[in-house]
Amino acid sequence: QVQLVQSGAEVKKPGASVKVSCKASEYTFTNYYLHWVRQAPGQGLEWMGIINPSGGSASYAQKFQGRVTMTRDTSTSTVYMELSSLRSEDTAVYYCAGGYSYPSAFDIWGQGTMVTVSS
Amino acid sequence: VLTQSPGTLSLSPGERATLSCRASQSVSSSYLAWYQQKPGQAPRLLIYGASSRATGIPDRFSGSGSGTDFTLTISRLEPEDFAVYYCQHYGSSKVTFGQGTRLEVK
Repeated sequence: QVQLVQSGAEVKKPGASVKVSCKASEYTFTNYYLHWVRQAPGQGLEWMGIINPSGGSASYAQKFQGRVTMTRDTSTSTVYMELSSLRSEDTAVYYCAGGYSYPSAFDIWGQGTMVTVSS
Repeated sequence: VLTQSPGTLSLSPGERATLSCRASQSVSSSYLAWYQQKPGQAPRLLIYGASSRATGIPDRFSGSGSGTDFTLTISRLEPEDFAVYYCQHYGSSKVTFGQGTRLEVK
């Protein structure tokens, strides 16, 4: 079964960090490349980066370099996206999404995780 | 950069919808996708490789184009087709999305 299940909503203060999880089925974890995409309220989609769950290598969009870290836990088939130095502009829904190969369109998506940054 | 037009398209059920996605420089059609997003939902893949329908996508959805100009066509709009549509280029180390076209009921 191909699916992605994300962690719940978060509320953080400016300057803090947030870590969002995305649990994959074993098949997905083994065969898919996983991406993180965010969407600010009422705005479009913004790609943040990609992680290869099998090998653990990650690549980030230039905008987020130095502030984002994508990791994985092979024992639980889970990938994580940690964003640091949060500011109000980071308030968004964060999605994990996957493609079967690389490069590939994103044919599976998690349900999204709302992250609110507010003092 | 991917630029979608129009920003908003107002049509009636049964009509034909034509959505445009223009790239600032030529991109491989092998790596151009279209997504549909409804309020409160994650995006859904419609088209990949510029013209291939994803699994389960009705044949009223079709994609075409090459180089810098790509089109998503919905031949006869159904009520459930009114949503926001995004194009995406995924062929390089950087993935980019267009800003979206909102398809609304006229």
